[in-house]
Amino acid sequence: EDQVTQSPEALRLQEGESSSLNCSYTVSGLRGLFWYRQDPGKGPEFLFTLYSAGEEKEKERLKATLTKKESFLHITAPKPEDSATYLCAVRGVTGGYNKLIFGAGTRLAVHP
Amino acid sequence: GAVVSQHPSRVICKSGTSVKIECRSLDFQATTMFWYRQFPKKSLMLMATSNEGSKATYEQGVEKDKFLINHASLTLSTLTVTSAHPEDSSFYICSARVSGSTDTQYFGPGTRLTVL
Repeated sequence: EDQVTQSPEALRLQEGESSSLNCSYTVSGLRGLFWYRQDPGKGPEFLFTLYSAGEEKEKERLKATLTKKESFLHITAPKPEDSATYLCAVRGVTGGYNKLIFGAGTRLAVHP
Repeated sequence: GAVVSQHPSRVICKSGTSVKIECRSLDFQATTMFWYRQFPKKSLMLMATSNEGSKATYEQGVEKDKFLINHASLTLSTLTVTSAHPEDSSFYICSARVSGSTDTQYFGPGTRLTVL
């Protein structure tokens, strides 16, 4: 069964304190790993898609990396506006081509 | 680009009534739209996949007669929660995939449903 586990569940950082969020996955035939940001009471906002081990993508202070078993979202010198829940999702070959399996997310709080 | 809207953003209704939620892709055509449900501090659970001009595909355990989905055009899908009960209270989020694309789903802002 396809599964996604994110850790930690919650993370508190000081402004400027870099860290990484983890997304471990089990999937039959990875067809994409997706990172989203979700603010309270809002829908997820697309950040990155990764397809193969070794792939990396960057956007401002965020960098996503992928291995065969996990993905990391690195946050460099975070600011308070980076506070949000970060969701990881995978798409595999089972369950239909469209289906995304989401993790429970990591709630990030960045304090000044 | 790739903006998805939902209406209403928040709805409160009495038990036994039906509620319709609209999902629109504003700047692109979406052959496929998706409906998710999210409980507090939990991950998104896919309820159904909506394809324009055809019947929706429901995930296991989702009652298709309770959650009616219609995808009448390339920019609009609707979810109707029929005979709503308090246990249907939740955050409902739609997403859409750009027609011709096989990848990214873009999400709407969500609808908070409270059934009294």
